[in-house]
Amino acid sequence: EVQLLESGGGLVQPGESLRLSCAGSGFTFSTYAMSWVRQAPGKGLEWVSAIGGSGGPTYYADSVKGRFTISRDDSKNTLYLQMNSLRAEDTAVYYCAKDYSVTQWGQGTLVTVSS
Amino acid sequence: DIVMTQTPLSLSVTPGQPASISCKSSQSLLHSDGKTYLYWFLQKPGQSPHLLIYEVFSRFSGVPDRFSGSGSGTEFTLKISRVEAEDVGVYYCMQAIHLPRTFGQGTKVEIK
Repeated sequence: EVQLLESGGGLVQPGESLRLSCAGSGFTFSTYAMSWVRQAPGKGLEWVSAIGGSGGPTYYADSVKGRFTISRDDSKNTLYLQMNSLRAEDTAVYYCAKDYSVTQWGQGTLVTVSS
Repeated sequence: DIVMTQTPLSLSVTPGQPASISCKSSQSLLHSDGKTYLYWFLQKPGQSPHLLIYEVFSRFSGVPDRFSGSGSGTEFTLKISRVEAEDVGVYYCMQAIHLPRTFGQGTKVEIK
């Protein structure tokens, strides 16, 4: 059974940084692309970023390009999202998901950016 | 970016009755490989989204057969043949032909 477990969310002030992690199990992690999708409170789904399998190419939404960095450590079956220069509009639940087509999702971790 | 437009945005359904949600994309989702990359997700209250339908009409593992998808090109439909209480939540379509992936606004389904 595929399991994705996000961690690292919390309350930060505008301009600060945060690193999210997502531990994957139940599948051959290194062979799959992985994605991040976020959901602002009471809002819909917004794709954020993706990375190819085995450290392949990276992709970003325009809204986070230059501020967020996606990476992975296949030896630890873990996906990361380094978020810098955080803004209030980055407040959301962040989900990691398997594959470019986000076929399976974790339970999410809440990031709140507020002064 | 491809814009995904869902209608209606909310739906109230009597248990046992059918329900239908429409999704339109601003560009064709037909790939040169012959597949059409339209996905449907359900987000139940308090849960993360989960995949129902991929590539227009293929049900994901464990999805009941009362859920069906249809359509082509830029117009798609998700149908629930007989709505059950456990089907409440927000349904999203998503295009998976181009990055960035984009989602419809969501359709909230409630039980009467």
